[in-house]
Amino acid sequence: DVKVTQSSRYLVKRTGEKVFLECVQDMDHENMFWYRQDPGLGLRLIYFSYDVKMKEKGDIPEGYSVSREKKERFSLILESASTNQTSMYLCASSLWGRGDSPLHFGNGTRLTVT
Amino acid sequence: DQQVKQNSPSLSVQEGRISILNCDYTNSMFDYFLWYKKYPAEGPTFLISISSIKDKNEDGRFTVFLNKSAKHLSLHIVPSQPGDSAVYFCAASETSGSRLTFGEGTQLTVNP
Repeated sequence: DVKVTQSSRYLVKRTGEKVFLECVQDMDHENMFWYRQDPGLGLRLIYFSYDVKMKEKGDIPEGYSVSREKKERFSLILESASTNQTSMYLCASSLWGRGDSPLHFGNGTRLTVT
Repeated sequence: DQQVKQNSPSLSVQEGRISILNCDYTNSMFDYFLWYKKYPAEGPTFLISISSIKDKNEDGRFTVFLNKSAKHLSLHIVPSQPGDSAVYFCAASETSGSRLTFGEGTQLTVNP
């Protein structure tokens, strides 16, 4: 079974702080994704990566950056946290870079920015 | 713009009856569709998918129907069980692409 592990279940940060969300997958998947989930908006793609050191913007990249130095690890960075970034953050991985390759999600990090 | 829409935020059904969850899409380039289920405090898990070359795909109690002309798909759960209570997300992609577009989700509650 694919395991996608997010380092924190809950985080509380102050406005203006730099925040790191870490994600590790153990199945040698090529592709990794960061989504945020908000009520009434579903899951929205922030960034994804199809290879080490490669990244692509998703639908809502503003205020975020990512890092993929190793294949198994994909980090989401909030350069200067703001209250509108309070959300559930979900990391996912997939075997292929194709739309018919199902995503495997971690359990999420609930981030609160005060 | 919301390319994948689930117009019902919630649905409540009795145990043993059919649950029908609906999803509409606007992007005619989408050719692969997936349903995910999400329990509280867990990440979404893949449930079932369908390619645009089919109009139906069945897996046990779960069946997905695709109506390409109407740009509409639905997930049928028969019979519904209390353990099916979860948020269901519809998602769509271009097979050649690498990203999914999700709907807003529908909270299904199955009452014993």
